[in-house]
Amino acid sequence: GAGVSQSPRYKVAKRGQDVALRCDPISGHVSLFWYQQALGQGPEFLTYFQNEAQLDKSGLPSDRFFAERPEGSVSTLKIQRTQQEDSAVYLCASSLSLADEQFFGPGTRLTVL
Amino acid sequence: GESVGLHLPTLSVQEGDNSIINCAYSNSASDYFIWYKQESGKGPQFIIDIRSNMDKRQGQRVTVLLNKTVKHLSLQIAATQPGDSAVYFCAVPKAGGGNKLTFGTGTQLKVEL
Repeated sequence: GAGVSQSPRYKVAKRGQDVALRCDPISGHVSLFWYQQALGQGPEFLTYFQNEAQLDKSGLPSDRFFAERPEGSVSTLKIQRTQQEDSAVYLCASSLSLADEQFFGPGTRLTVL
Repeated sequence: GESVGLHLPTLSVQEGDNSIINCAYSNSASDYFIWYKQESGKGPQFIIDIRSNMDKRQGQRVTVLLNKTVKHLSLQIAATQPGDSAVYFCAVPKAGGGNKLTFGTGTQLKVEL
């Protein structure tokens, strides 16, 4: 069956531009997570949703980062006024419930010039 | 809070040999541990997990060992194959619930033919 998909796979932005990264979770998965992975590092938790409710956004690096999941399915991670330090791979994961295995998408590689 | 670390950034093994990847964690209250495999350009893929009430768990060609006394876990891969070449991460859920994961920095496993 279809796994977690993310788009775009690659995004190049000029410093100061806004970007929007999309995640399509596995159908029926209630929980959705966003992680940021810097080059050569492990993923770092950003935020997660239970259905449409954002239950924890403690990992978001600044108020320039915003995530939403308005209908409890597709999620969008938005970064305003991108900075070079935002360059990373942004991973989305979904799970059937909070306690279940997380399935990761391929990630979106963001490069800020 | 939690932190996880890996002893070696890179591990090179000959095809057919066994591989051992190590991980140390800091929170003695951690009760669930996961190993992920990440191939280039892909998201992390679940390999095997273990709960703190177990010392050992076996899967297909993989074994995870947990030593709670020294807060250490290892991933053993039997008869390593070229397809095992990837970065391996250990992960633990953050305190506070929600299954938010803290990942280690990863070990790059290189399989030499």
